[in-house]
Amino acid sequence: DAKTTQPNSMESNEEEPVHLPCNHSTISGTDYIHWYRQLPSQGPEYVIHGLTSNVNNRMASLAIAEDRKSSTLILHRATLRDAAVYYCILRGTNAGKSTFGDGTTLTVKP
Amino acid sequence: EAGVTQFPSHSVIEKGQTVTLRCDPISGHDNLYWYRRVMGKEIKFLLHFVKESKQDESGMPNNRFLAERTGGTYSTLKVQPAELEDSGVYFCASSLIEGRSDAEAFFGQGTRLTVV
Repeated sequence: DAKTTQPNSMESNEEEPVHLPCNHSTISGTDYIHWYRQLPSQGPEYVIHGLTSNVNNRMASLAIAEDRKSSTLILHRATLRDAAVYYCILRGTNAGKSTFGDGTTLTVKP
Repeated sequence: EAGVTQFPSHSVIEKGQTVTLRCDPISGHDNLYWYRRVMGKEIKFLLHFVKESKQDESGMPNNRFLAERTGGTYSTLKVQPAELEDSGVYFCASSLIEGRSDAEAFFGQGTRLTVV
């Protein structure tokens, strides 16, 4: 499985934008980039995914580099509820077997 | 619509005992996955069902683990006999579309297993 690299932790102030980076230099042409987050004591929750173009949904935006070797999850206005571990995952043809990695622990300060 | 539900939420058992975890996927989701996070490590894939068939069980750690999905609905994961290193959180996920790398997976809240 292709691996991803994320910073262990990041901090943000409430109401400010947050940019969470992910490197995936070994991504294959058919891999989708997925982001999940895990709130305390809960299972992972889908956030967003993309292939080549930038994507927006009600939760976040995903900016994908032109060479697809990196991507950035953007939370436009962080809230305290956004404090979680964020995972950047590559999902290929065997999608469920994706490796989660260690993720980025996001702390949001009031 | 109900999400993925897992039972029990917590289980504490003694080494050598048997424990059975249950997962009810979202209705209509043919794909069901089991994952686990053992202490301090990342979430790892265990196996994948498509309906009642095991599509991929390459992540199952050893033969003490047995997963079933009778009738292609709910699934159980049995650990027999449990060992200390089996302690961790076991997650179940389901998705609608088989093999699609753009398909969203829905996760349950997990079962925290503690073996003492």
